[in-house]
Amino acid sequence: NAGVMQNPRHLVRRRGQEARLRCSPVKGHSHVYWYRQLPEEGLKFMVYLQKENIIDESGMPKERFSAEFPKEGPSILRIQQVVRGDSAAYFCASSPTPGQGLGNTIYFGEGSWLTVV
Amino acid sequence: KQEVTQIPAALSVPEGENLVLNCSFTDSAIYNLQWFRQDPGKGLTSLLLIQSSQREQTSGRLNASLDKSSGRSTLYIAASQPGDSATYLCAVSGVKTSYDKVIFGPGTSLSVIP
Repeated sequence: NAGVMQNPRHLVRRRGQEARLRCSPVKGHSHVYWYRQLPEEGLKFMVYLQKENIIDESGMPKERFSAEFPKEGPSILRIQQVVRGDSAAYFCASSPTPGQGLGNTIYFGEGSWLTVV
Repeated sequence: KQEVTQIPAALSVPEGENLVLNCSFTDSAIYNLQWFRQDPGKGLTSLLLIQSSQREQTSGRLNASLDKSSGRSTLYIAASQPGDSATYLCAVSGVKTSYDKVIFGPGTSLSVIP
């Protein structure tokens, strides 16, 4: 998986709590993507971020979900007041700045599995 | 809007058979196409990446083809083994936007019976 690190790998939260999922992209990558995989469904795009900017959040639920990619540190996907329907695998991916070698190749992390009880 | 479909949704074959998984996409303006493998409860493993200018890529017993004009890709697995049992995902990256959002198909669940 070319070095995209996600943590925690597994997270259990009670309904109403907050979930924070972290993603450290491949060193040197400045583009981060979050995807969600609901049980028995495919991966769905949620949000695309560059450092300190949200470029496309068209796949993000309108409420309770937010994402950031600060100048320093990992990208964070935050889910407030979790509900059982938020139980899913959340995958992060990163890519290098366009024009650098591999271009648009995207590398995926191993995912964070959120279970809401 | 790009949409990716995969046929069949599930496939069960005896060990040793050759098999083909199909992927279709609606917008032929893609940058590249990737095939991934996902084991239950695990992350994604990239199997093959085909750039839009290429027609196929091979890795071991795997061969992926791309026909951009018809919006199709196939993943051919030769001499299947029980260890090949997994879900296979097809994904495309577009060129019509300034970034390469990846669109996934729903996957084909493969079971290779010993």
